Amino acid sequence: DTGVSQDPRHKITKRGQNVTFRCDPISEHNRLYWYRQTLGQGPEFLTYFQNEAQLEKSRLLSDRFSAERPKGSFSTLEIQRTEQGDSAMYLCASSIRGITEAFFGQGTRLTVV
Amino acid sequence: QQQVKQSPQSLIVQKGGISIINCAYENTAFDYFPWYQQFPGKGPALLIAIRPDVSEKKEGRFTISFNKSAKQFSLHIMDSQPGDSATYFCAARNTGANNLFFGTGTRLTVIP
Repeated sequence: DTGVSQDPRHKITKRGQNVTFRCDPISEHNRLYWYRQTLGQGPEFLTYFQNEAQLEKSRLLSDRFSAERPKGSFSTLEIQRTEQGDSAMYLCASSIRGITEAFFGQGTRLTVV
Repeated sequence: QQQVKQSPQSLIVQKGGISIINCAYENTAFDYFPWYQQFPGKGPALLIAIRPDVSEKKEGRFTISFNKSAKQFSLHIMDSQPGDSATYFCAARNTGANNLFFGTGTRLTVIP
């Protein structure tokens, strides 16, 4: 499969726990994006990487959230001290030329209980 | 504040009919307007997109109509099929930006 891969697909965690999601972009895609999608809403931008550099962060990305892309390939999104409001689908997308040509992964659905 | 307003929230269409979904925006700096299709449990997939220098773009059964003066754009799905049943999102991008603003989505159901 040469698409954007996200792992895990589903995660249930207790409030207060830390969780980490992984995104493997399409090979050679140097741009990577994280979005969050809550039920009944469209995706909302969280952050953007070009290679290993995190170039843009949304105000939605509180200090409990951190994203990395250490070698410019895969990326991780960590949420510390999860809250029930963090329950959402976390989507990763990648592109080689910018957001207009980005491909989305299938997402990681997080449920905080 | 919702940057892109989408309607209707849900739509039921008979097979073979025309599905029409509308979006409106206020930010005149938006320069790229894509539509995404999302099936349950999947990520959004780009369906068709338009830039503001064009009033209409057609790809197969899918057409975007764009009205720059009214700051509105719409998706028309001709000859709608049950396989088109999905949630559709309009979106918009600020000039040169690296993120998209999405509408709230329209759940389309095509009845056989």
